Amino acid sequence: AQSVTQLDSQVPVFEEAPVELRCNYSSSVSVYLFWYVQYPNQGLQLLLKYLSGSTLVKGINGFEAEFNKSQTSFHLRKPSVHISDTAEYFCAVSGWGATNKLIFGTGTLLAVQP
Amino acid sequence: SAVISQKPSRDICQRGTSLTIQCQVDSQVTMMFWYRQQPGQSLTLIATANQGSEATYESGFVIDKFPISRPNLTFSTLTVSNMSPEDSSIYLCSVDFGQGIYEQYFGPGTRLTVT
Repeated sequence: AQSVTQLDSQVPVFEEAPVELRCNYSSSVSVYLFWYVQYPNQGLQLLLKYLSGSTLVKGINGFEAEFNKSQTSFHLRKPSVHISDTAEYFCAVSGWGATNKLIFGTGTLLAVQP
Repeated sequence: SAVISQKPSRDICQRGTSLTIQCQVDSQVTMMFWYRQQPGQSLTLIATANQGSEATYESGFVIDKFPISRPNLTFSTLTVSNMSPEDSSIYLCSVDFGQGIYEQYFGPGTRLTVT
């Protein structure tokens, strides 16, 4: 079974500052990792995913994430945030052999302030 | 990618009644899923909607409470039966095209309030 931990329920940051949203996972098998964003009153949109290969993954809207197997982490980063990045961000995992079944973390609210 | 619509977008229902939520996709998909997002919480998978066979439910969810239909590769319904205030949530459908792509696309959600 897999689980995901997002330690920060809310991250306040000023516009144009860098940000890192933390995600740690637990699994007894190899995993696929995902970050989704949910804007207010909308569904989820895939930001990026790690399946295999390079541990640094680039996604949409200038976000990137790094897979660290030894630390079982998949932190999301952006060098300079905008007001429009204010949203809820969810980390998710699925296990090899149980593909397509996503286990979500509790989410992190990124609150960008002017 | 996929364009996914859900109906209704929101509803307010009385306890003891049932609501059927529709999910329509603009192309044929291998897998469809139903999730629940309770207020201020994360998403929890309810079930996988299987075309031509019974849905596969996750632990804690049962067919009598959440019957699911999937008559074809572009459409599914989720019914929330005998509702109570605890069923107040956002219900989202998602789709996966399979073929090793491993991307789920989500509908806009149905916001349900049970009074």
